[in-house]
Amino acid sequence: NAGVTQTPKFRILKIGQSMTLQCTQDMNHNYMYWYRQDPGMGLKLIYYSVGAGITDKGEVPNGYNVSRSTTEDFPLRLELAAPSQTSVYFCASSSGQGGSNQPQHFGDGTRLSIL
Amino acid sequence: AQSVSQHNHHVILSEAASLELGCNYSYGGTVNLFWYVQYPGQHLQLLLKYFSGDPLVKGIKGFEAEFIKSKFSFNLRKPSVQWSDTAEYFCAVIPASNTGKLIFGQGTTLQVKP
Repeated sequence: NAGVTQTPKFRILKIGQSMTLQCTQDMNHNYMYWYRQDPGMGLKLIYYSVGAGITDKGEVPNGYNVSRSTTEDFPLRLELAAPSQTSVYFCASSSGQGGSNQPQHFGDGTRLSIL
Repeated sequence: AQSVSQHNHHVILSEAASLELGCNYSYGGTVNLFWYVQYPGQHLQLLLKYFSGDPLVKGIKGFEAEFIKSKFSFNLRKPSVQWSDTAEYFCAVIPASNTGKLIFGQGTTLQVKP
């Protein structure tokens, strides 16, 4: 079972470049999330989606954009990369059945460095 | 603001020692509680969860956690750790009013010496 798949696993960007982090899940989950993980800071929610066509900001959305055109895919876009966006990015999904509080399933992460 | 606090940032234990990791949250209403584990180089995995019922919950690999509502705490315990428990542990909370938005603690790095 694939679960949550993130690509790429590693990427180095120059300041000002743009890129899209891909996330896809094959569990037919309605809820999807993007987090960034910084040392000693835990995970911070960037954006989330409760279904196709619906997205909302999390705790640290500045500098990022998302879209949710299908249930499976939830790409995260960086328009103008900045050194402060150097981080490990995790995508997650959950079913939403029985409420929005079902455990989240995480991808393997994308390690992004901005130089 | 809602927050989760993990008291121990870095814990070093010898094999067979007992473990307790502290977790407190700041939210007065109903919450769902989770502990996630991240082994080196891997993604987060669910260790255990509490939604309702018995406040002592058991998870995978011999871990358990106790929800104490009056103390806003959800501490993680294991009677005897193994070298393979070396990992980073995250406490997380979803207040009932949120739309599935997990609030994570800062994480605790556990290093178990063989």
